[in-house]
Amino acid sequence: DAGITQSPRHKVTETGTPVTLRCHQTENHRYMYWYRQDPGHGLRLIHYSYGVKDTDKGEVSDGYSVSRSKTEDFLLTLESATSSQTSVYFCAIRVGSGGKETQYFGPGTRLLVL
Amino acid sequence: GQNIDQPTEMTATEGAIVQINCTYQTSGFNGLFWYQQHAGEAPTFLSYNVLDGLEEKGRFSSFLSRSKGYSYLLLKELQMKDSASYLCAVRPQTGANNLFFGTGTRLTVIP
Repeated sequence: DAGITQSPRHKVTETGTPVTLRCHQTENHRYMYWYRQDPGHGLRLIHYSYGVKDTDKGEVSDGYSVSRSKTEDFLLTLESATSSQTSVYFCAIRVGSGGKETQYFGPGTRLLVL
Repeated sequence: GQNIDQPTEMTATEGAIVQINCTYQTSGFNGLFWYQQHAGEAPTFLSYNVLDGLEEKGRFSSFLSRSKGYSYLLLKELQMKDSASYLCAVRPQTGANNLFFGTGTRLTVIP
C-alpha cells in the first residue's frame, strides 16, 4: 500500500456530463500519473504531473484535463464524457530515486458512460 | 512509437515453472518493469531490470537482454494465487519516468 486512494471507486454517468476523478496520496511524492486501462490496449498514460501546477500530456490526453493545486491531490476531469471514455482509470505515484524509480498504483475507478 | 509484445494467455499447472516473454521496440530504454494484476484489482509492482541479466526475488525472477529487446518473467513453484495478468512495461527515458505497457499476459494456474 503506497498511500494512494481514488474516488469515486465506481461511477455511472451520461454522455455529455462533466466528470471529475480524484487521486489522493499521503506521502508527498512529486510525480503523479493518470492511466486508463481497456481490453486489448493495456495501460495508457493520459496525463502526468511533476509538481504543483506542473502537468503534461500523455499518449491519450484528448478529452481530458488535469489539475494539481496541492501535492497530495491530482484531479482528472472529463469535460463532456463520451462512451469511448468508459474505462478503468488508475492513478499512480512515482517512488524512489537514483534511476530506480518505480510507479505504484491506486485501486482504480470504474467509469461507465451511458 | 513504442511497441511492446507479450502473449495474450498462458496456462500452467500448480507446482510447475512458467516463463512469460516480453519483446519491445521503443524510442529509448531506461528500464523494464513487470507488474502483476489480479482481476478487478490494481497492478502491483513485481520487478525491475535496467541491466542485462537475471534478477531473482523469491519465486519470481526477471531476465533482460537489451541487445535483443527481450525480457522474461519466470515464476517457480506455481500456486493457484498466481493466476493473474502479468504486465510488461518499458521506461524509454529518464525525466518524467513515463511507462509504456504491453497488453498483458493472462496466466491461469490449474490444479
